[in-house]
Amino acid sequence: EDKVVQSPLSLVVHEGDTVTLNCSYEVTNFRSLLWYKQEKKAPTFLFMLTSSGIEKKSGRLSSILDKKELFSILNITATQTGDSAIYLCAIGSSNTGKLIFGQGTTLQVKP
Amino acid sequence: EAQVTQNPRYLITVTGKKLTVTCSQNMNHEYMSWYRQDPGLGLRQIYYSMNVEVTDKGDVPEGYKVSRKEKRNFPLILESPSPNQTSLYFCASSFRGPQYNSPLHFGNGTRLTVT
Repeated sequence: EDKVVQSPLSLVVHEGDTVTLNCSYEVTNFRSLLWYKQEKKAPTFLFMLTSSGIEKKSGRLSSILDKKELFSILNITATQTGDSAIYLCAIGSSNTGKLIFGQGTTLQVKP
Repeated sequence: EAQVTQNPRYLITVTGKKLTVTCSQNMNHEYMSWYRQDPGLGLRQIYYSMNVEVTDKGDVPEGYKVSRKEKRNFPLILESPSPNQTSLYFCASSFRGPQYNSPLHFGNGTRLTVT
């Protein structure tokens, strides 16, 4: 059975800290791994990763995929209170229309 | 503005009373999907549609129906809602399906309470 496991489930840090969020997966016919940020309402897209070892970066956020060890990490440097959110990891399969999400990591950044 | 629109945003109903949550997108996307979000369980896929008249079950389809008669609309139907369907529901769409590396665009959610 395909599954996605995120860790930690929740995290509290102070502004300026660096955080690393983890996503491990088991899926047949891997196609892509996606990261989303969810604040009060709809998840918003952050990154899509399809190849191992290639870092995607956007401002203070970056992510990398390891297809051999079946995991990805999302790094946030110099955290701000606006980074407080649920971070969701999802896996796309190459032969179905399913997109499977992990449980999410709830990040709280304190001033 | 490109968007996925769900209605209603909030809904309180009673067990057994049929309801429909509408979803519409204006981006000419082929792929649409419904998810429910429950604490500790993340987003779980209910149904998805690769194109008009093509629908498939996700991981938690029991108790739900969908239809895709037009490209822009993908309503979620609960024929006989039960309290365990109390949840936050999201509709999402993408240009093509996940197997084509198309990121999802989400609607703002519908919070459903079944008493």
